[in-house]
Amino acid sequence: QQQVKQSPQSLIVQKGGISIINCAYENTAFDYFPWYQQFPGKGPALLIAIRPDVSEKKEGRFTISFNKSAKQFSLHIMDSQPGDSATYFCAAGTYSGAGSYQLTFGKGTKLSVIP
Amino acid sequence: EAGVAQSPRYKIIEKRQSVAFWCNPISGHATLYWYQQILGQGPKLLIQFQNNGVVDDSQLPKDRFSAERLKGVDSTLKIQPAKLEDSAVYLCASSISGGALSGTGELFFGEGSRLTVL
Repeated sequence: QQQVKQSPQSLIVQKGGISIINCAYENTAFDYFPWYQQFPGKGPALLIAIRPDVSEKKEGRFTISFNKSAKQFSLHIMDSQPGDSATYFCAAGTYSGAGSYQLTFGKGTKLSVIP
Repeated sequence: EAGVAQSPRYKIIEKRQSVAFWCNPISGHATLYWYQQILGQGPKLLIQFQNNGVVDDSQLPKDRFSAERLKGVDSTLKIQPAKLEDSAVYLCASSISGGALSGTGELFFGEGSRLTVL
């Protein structure tokens, strides 16, 4: 059972353009929504995260938009650069005690930014 | 600060053989996770430890997979016997744990151990 649905599977964007990746979840118990970036041969690394009490969070060129009623959230990458080419995973988390979370990941979006 | 260390980076075995992966988390991180990442998919949680106790192992195939975290630091994930469908990257991650609601939630991943079962 896929609890976090991510789209598109792949995305090609021109340098300087906007990359948009969407995710939807089903479990209303999720209360933490991070995005991870993964380069080939590396482990995922946290990019940006949001909690459900806010609708938007911006960090530099990266913005998360969150719609609690629709159970959807998205990642926007402004002014996309070739160095942003990577696989992006959305995730949804539930608190598992002592400051830690269990994450359920989407299937990933492979982003290619062409010059 | 040193990151999460994993070994071996690559392992090729025949089906029905056994394999073990080792993880050393970031110093001071009390929570340790093992994830399985099949090619083209997102990481899937196998087991979560808090210090040397198991928090959740509901998705660990216990008939063939086992994991331990002795002394609350290093961890080992073992597969015996391996099946073809176990071919994947096994990711170890750790996180800082504090009091309730004080955790940032950030997981720090190692580079993974890539397993190929022939």
